[in-house]
Amino acid sequence: DTGVSQDPRHKITKRGQNVTFRCDPISEHNRLYWYRQTLGQGPEFLTYFQNEAQLEKSRLLSDRFSAERPKGSFSTLEIQRTEQGDSAMYLCASVGLREAFFGQGTRLTVV
Amino acid sequence: AQKITQTQPGMFVQEKEAVTLDCTYDTSDPSYGLFWYKQPSSGEMIFLIYQGSYDQQNATEGRYSLNFQKARKSANLVISASQLGDSAMYFCAMREGGNRDDKIIFGKGTRLHILP
Repeated sequence: DTGVSQDPRHKITKRGQNVTFRCDPISEHNRLYWYRQTLGQGPEFLTYFQNEAQLEKSRLLSDRFSAERPKGSFSTLEIQRTEQGDSAMYLCASVGLREAFFGQGTRLTVV
Repeated sequence: AQKITQTQPGMFVQEKEAVTLDCTYDTSDPSYGLFWYKQPSSGEMIFLIYQGSYDQQNATEGRYSLNFQKARKSANLVISASQLGDSAMYFCAMREGGNRDDKIIFGKGTRLHILP
């Protein structure tokens, strides 16, 4: 157990629906990252927060994606109007000075 | 240009032998950090080891060590006395320094198979 939890673990949704994922990081870490991983690939950076500030957003992230980290604690990632290409594992990382621990991920399937 | 390069898509190694997984990186920032992760078939990303660019010694964690060659921009992971449970995908990752460009980027990974 890395101390980073993600919810839900699995999500099946119909194309066009909105979905929201949650990540609870390690409380001592002020940085939180979101990644997307498809089969056989390395994690792709989506966005990251330092405390409640969203510092960078990947160009891969379309306007349908939004992330928040209210009060600098847990974070949510929302995908609006899901498409089949959004099917992937969504990973959250809690990052300290010399470590970065991942949650178990949310596997999204868009049907 | 890729910032993290893992040139070995797959490797087969006999159990109990040592394994070296290659990783080269590209950065002009003097301050950076390098990470290695293991991802078994179950999917979780397991943090193995970290090396800072200013660290005086190569990082070690149990059977894992990092062969850090700064001038060559390489950060190879060495696994000593490999075990069947080491079979997994391994990713090298880098975080560049600075407050505004701090994302951690990953290589494409190496799939390691340990043979009995």
